[in-house]
Amino acid sequence: DAGITQSPRHKVTETGTPVTLRCHQTENHRYMYWYRQDPGHGLRLIHYSYGVKDTDKGEVSDGYSVSRSKTEDFLLTLESATSSQTSVYFCAISETDNYGYTFGSGTRLTVV
Amino acid sequence: GQNIDQPTEMTATEGAIVQINCTYQTSGFNGLFWYQQHAGEAPTFLSYNVLDGLEEKGRFSSFLSRSKGYSYLLLKELQMKDSASYLCASMDSNYQLIWGAGTKLIIKP
Repeated sequence: DAGITQSPRHKVTETGTPVTLRCHQTENHRYMYWYRQDPGHGLRLIHYSYGVKDTDKGEVSDGYSVSRSKTEDFLLTLESATSSQTSVYFCAISETDNYGYTFGSGTRLTVV
Repeated sequence: GQNIDQPTEMTATEGAIVQINCTYQTSGFNGLFWYQQHAGEAPTFLSYNVLDGLEEKGRFSSFLSRSKGYSYLLLKELQMKDSASYLCASMDSNYQLIWGAGTKLIIKP
């Protein structure tokens, strides 16, 4: 019943290379979010979208960009990957802005 | 600033009851969420409280006191599969979720 999928699930990349993570949903939800999760920290919001081509920054947006050209796809790009961006990245969707989120399975990114 | 505090780790015995506390301080308040996250998996929604009081859902209950900035998640009749991290999150005035670091719950036989 995977209404939200992330790809890739795992990735190892080199410092300085660009990386794009994809989030795809089949629920037609308006809101989509990108989070990173690191040990000892809560989920931290990177960017979010409230509609096609409507995006905004979260608390840890430096070094990341996003795009949403279709309702179902939300892309996260690390413009020039650094070791500090090694993390687990979760995408989430929400029907409205005051509703609970459904999370994707996550992408484990390692920058070497 | 905005802050969510919850214990880092708790241990309980199979069949027992455990209460996981969460205190929050956010700019505005639009509800308190609890999520469960098994190791290596995505968080999954457990409960939502926006009014004071206790919400019961099977073996899990969640309580909210808005005046105290306090919530707890109560798990009864603990099972081994309840071993997971439990994430507390407060929704602020901009409808953004502010997350705690999570409480790792270890269940022993």
